[in-house]
Amino acid sequence: NAGVTQTPKFRVLKTGQSMTLLCAQDMNHEYMYWYRQDPGMGLRLIHYSVGEGTTAKGEVPDGYNVSRLKKQNFLLGLESAAPSQTSVYFCASSYEPLSGGTEDTQYFGPGTRLTVL
Amino acid sequence: QKEVEQDPGPLSVPEGAIVSLNCTYSNSAFQYFMWYRQYSRKGPELLMYTYSSGNKEDGRFTAQVDKSSKYISLFIRDSQPSDSATYLCAMNSGGYQKVTFGIGTKLQVIP
Repeated sequence: NAGVTQTPKFRVLKTGQSMTLLCAQDMNHEYMYWYRQDPGMGLRLIHYSVGEGTTAKGEVPDGYNVSRLKKQNFLLGLESAAPSQTSVYFCASSYEPLSGGTEDTQYFGPGTRLTVL
Repeated sequence: QKEVEQDPGPLSVPEGAIVSLNCTYSNSAFQYFMWYRQYSRKGPELLMYTYSSGNKEDGRFTAQVDKSSKYISLFIRDSQPSDSATYLCAMNSGGYQKVTFGIGTKLQVIP
């Protein structure tokens, strides 16, 4: 049981390049999330998915696209990277949306460190 | 004003000390409160989960929620060097509403 895994762990891009971050979970969770973490800003939700084939915008969605073609995978795409997208990206998954039980909590992956030059 | 305020620290304490970490918030609709621990270059992991007001204890960790003051705390007793990490508070009003995180407090426990 690997939990939530993310690839790649590190990446350096030039402005304008594109890339896709992959998140995979083996806990059969319905809900998956992409966050970015920046110093002094905390974790901010980019996009999320409430099930296979669904996606929705979070707090800071501009410049990112996502896809959830398979229940276990959630992809985050940057079509034209900008220096402002330099950040640590975390994927998370949960069985249900938060409703009062610890089983509903979000499990986080190890993160992807992205630098855009 | 941010919805959740958390002092980033760093907070340095000697081994064995009692540590108090705190967050304040402004949204009275928040009713689910969490503390995550994040080691350097790792993802956050859930440490404590509390619903509404009150205390919850788990080993050396105690979480307190005071909804009337919009203030939550995490206490660590007999702190250990392995407790050195960044502690994130997080909260949510339930269901599909997004989780709002604090910026995290960096804790260092010195042997």
